[in-house]
Amino acid sequence: EADIYQTPRYLVIGTGKKITLECSQTMGHDKMYWYQQDPGMELHLIHYSYGVNSTEKGDLSSESTVSRIRTEHFPLTLESARPSHTSQYLCASSGPAHEDQETQYFGPGTRLLVL
Amino acid sequence: KNQVEQSPQSLIILEGKNCTLQCNYTVSPFSNLRWYKQDTGRGPVSLTIMTFSENTKSNGRYTATLDADTKQSSLHITASQLSDSASYICVVSDRGSTLGRLYFGRGTQLTVWP
Repeated sequence: EADIYQTPRYLVIGTGKKITLECSQTMGHDKMYWYQQDPGMELHLIHYSYGVNSTEKGDLSSESTVSRIRTEHFPLTLESARPSHTSQYLCASSGPAHEDQETQYFGPGTRLLVL
Repeated sequence: KNQVEQSPQSLIILEGKNCTLQCNYTVSPFSNLRWYKQDTGRGPVSLTIMTFSENTKSNGRYTATLDADTKQSSLHITASQLSDSASYICVVSDRGSTLGRLYFGRGTQLTVWP
């Protein structure tokens, strides 16, 4: 099992609140990712990072922001939550290409419900 | 348009039976194809990865095949167990370098009944 952790696992919050979803990995991976997944739908990449102080937006437009101050930590923040942000958020990390071909290891996910 | 299509959308089988899940893709250029298993409420876990030159890859009771010419892959599960109940996701990468991106299918939801 991969050493990648997400907190909280479940979050119910009111509209307009600021939230931060935490993601940490202990594998020393440089690359980290945030995905959004709705029930029965494919994963959509919303943010990624190739290392400390490196962050990029993914394919799916998102109002969230991320930071990468430490290798092991990649938090995602929503400044003002809205019901449209209700979804499951999955964090992942991957090692160098010569190590298992950059397989992405996923955390357990955070299920967010915005009322 | 790069896409990954999986079928069936859902499948119910009895414990001990075999099943095959399908994945068709239009991703180009092709780098590799992965099958992930996602248990309910958990993140996906990698089962197999195949590159262009590989036709088949096994991981225990899971056997994946790849036909790069027809752009089709299958995941065969032998002697299914209750713990196989999960969503199985096909993921195709368009390049093996740092700039490669992943294309995800919507998954096949497998339910194994006792």
